[in-house]
Amino acid sequence: GENVEQHPSTLSVQEGDSAVIKCTYSDSASNYFPWYKQELGKRPQLIIDIRSNVGEKKDQRIAVTLNKTAKHFSLHITETQPEDSAVYFCAASNNFNKFYFGSGTKLNVKP
Amino acid sequence: GAVVSQHPSWVICKSGTSVKIECRSLDFQATTMFWYRQFPKQSLMLMATSNEGSKATYEQGVEKDKFLINHASLTLSTLTVTSAHPEDSSFYICSARDRGAYGYTFGSGTRLTVV
Repeated sequence: GENVEQHPSTLSVQEGDSAVIKCTYSDSASNYFPWYKQELGKRPQLIIDIRSNVGEKKDQRIAVTLNKTAKHFSLHITETQPEDSAVYFCAASNNFNKFYFGSGTKLNVKP
Repeated sequence: GAVVSQHPSWVICKSGTSVKIECRSLDFQATTMFWYRQFPKQSLMLMATSNEGSKATYEQGVEKDKFLINHASLTLSTLTVTSAHPEDSSFYICSARDRGAYGYTFGSGTRLTVV
């Protein structure tokens, strides 16, 4: 099955700085890669996603890049704000079949 | 947007009893629903895939006789934790996709505590 690894496990940045979270996957058949933000005690919320036919996608301060050859994808958050503090999960899926999640990154944005 | 309603949000039960968790897709039909388990400060671990009208498929290591899944209609899937033990205490969360939408939507989760 698919194996998704995520780094770092914790990330602390100063408000206004950028944050980068990286994930690797093992199954070359995976073609959909969403990123979720989960605040304490709440459900994960989809923040951005990318399909395998695209190398980069951006939505305001959030961007995701995908390198299919290397089987890794990254989440980039620019101009971080305290409300960006949460746990972020990457995931990989093959045609929206089973989703396999990374281990999560706890992002702390210091004001 | 697509909404998945999950109940209860929090439940405490005694060891040996069973607990049923419901997930309903509102305003869309969910032919497939995923059930996850999340331990504190850990990732979401896929337990099983629930398919409407057929048997659920379980991930390796998940006891199908302990975690009973029923997906009797296109809008309702249930997870029953049978003969619960303290080690079953966890956050259980479901997820489904509205085919007209993009991405999966999660239920609000159920925090189960077995005492």
